[in-house]
Amino acid sequence: DAGVTQSPTHLIKTRGQQVTLRCSPKSGHDTVSWYQQALGQGPQFIFQYYEEEERQRGNFPDRFSGHQFPNYSSELNVNALLLGDSALYLCASRLAGEGTEAFFGQGTRLTVV
Amino acid sequence: AQSVTQLDSQVPVFEEAPVELRCNYSSSVSVYLFWYVQYPNQGLQLLLKYLSGSTLVKGINGFEAEFNKSQTSFHLRKPSVHISDTAEYFCAVRVSGNTPLVFGKGTRLSVIA
Repeated sequence: DAGVTQSPTHLIKTRGQQVTLRCSPKSGHDTVSWYQQALGQGPQFIFQYYEEEERQRGNFPDRFSGHQFPNYSSELNVNALLLGDSALYLCASRLAGEGTEAFFGQGTRLTVV
Repeated sequence: AQSVTQLDSQVPVFEEAPVELRCNYSSSVSVYLFWYVQYPNQGLQLLLKYLSGSTLVKGINGFEAEFNKSQTSFHLRKPSVHISDTAEYFCAVRVSGNTPLVFGKGTRLSVIA
């Protein structure tokens, strides 16, 4: 079992550009969440996908959007990048249900210059 | 809405000494509680979780935590730390239903030889 895998591991983008980050959940998991972790901070919830729909959303602007595919994998898209979008982006997956634990990927380090 | 407060941003401790990392939460409903560890340039790894039942929870790497409902706390403890325990530790809370985790800002544990 490969666990949660994210790609790419690192990337550098210029202000104003758009970026797509990808996540493959742990085998058997159907719920995917995305988090943004700024340097020295705890992860902040961006949104959660279940059954290919965005189910919950944190306090992030519409520049942040996502998608979940029938195989449960997910993408996070960020448009019009700002310097402040530089962070570690973490994907977490779990099986929908009470008390299930979330497994995290290694993250994608995004640097906006 | 739920929130998590980690009372110490940094905790230095000598090797083989005991350590306690403090976590308080606020929620108007019952919660599930988690502690995650993050090593440099890594994702998050689950240390332990409290769902229900016994208030003393044992996790990996010799860590344990105690849920105290009256004090809304979930402090993490280890009787004897090792150099390899040096990392960032995050307390997180989730309510019932298919809801996302809410994290504290983290505590950096530095173990000194």
